[in-house]
Amino acid sequence: AQSVTQLDSHVSVSEGTPVLLRCNYSSSYSPSLFWYVQHPNKGLQLLLKYTSAATLVKGINGFEAEFKKSETSFHLTKPSAHMSDAAEYFCVVSDRAAGNKLTFGGGTRVLVKP
Amino acid sequence: EAGVAQSPRYKIIEKRQSVAFWCNPISGHATLYWYQQILGQGPKLLIQFQNNGVVDDSQLPKDRFSAERLKGVDSTLKIQPAKLEDSAVYLCASSKHGEAFFGQGTRLTVV
Repeated sequence: AQSVTQLDSHVSVSEGTPVLLRCNYSSSYSPSLFWYVQHPNKGLQLLLKYTSAATLVKGINGFEAEFKKSETSFHLTKPSAHMSDAAEYFCVVSDRAAGNKLTFGGGTRVLVKP
Repeated sequence: EAGVAQSPRYKIIEKRQSVAFWCNPISGHATLYWYQQILGQGPKLLIQFQNNGVVDDSQLPKDRFSAERLKGVDSTLKIQPAKLEDSAVYLCASSKHGEAFFGQGTRLTVV
């Protein structure tokens, strides 16, 4: 069975400093991995996706993530946080063996301090 | 390209009443998902359709929840009777090649 663990429920950063959101996954086969962002009272928006191509994936708004199979990790980073990055972030795993079911992590809430 | 449409956006009902949510996926997307997101938690899959067939409904409380996707396009999710713990945001998503697109969700409050 596939699963996702987001290691931090809350992350607080100062504007202009780096952001790191940690994600570990468990999957039987070769997974697809995604990061979604959810701003208050808004829908889920895809930030980036990994689907067995390049292990370093670039997404929207300056975010990127690196797939590390040996560590079963897919951490999300951004070199310089902006106030508009304050939101909830979800790491998601999917694989064909599970019928492309999307399994979400518990989420990481990001607070950006001025 | 139009996104995933859901209605209503908000619904308040009393416990033991029934409620239905509607979802119109992106045109051409064969896979449709319904998720339940309780405040402070990640979304939990309720049911997944591939065209009009059910792929996974293992976490759907079938004694009170039902869903259908007639003709493999629109879908409805129904709760009857509702309980207080059903208060949540119900998210619909559709997918063509693995990447899912989400609607704005329906916020249900059961009082």
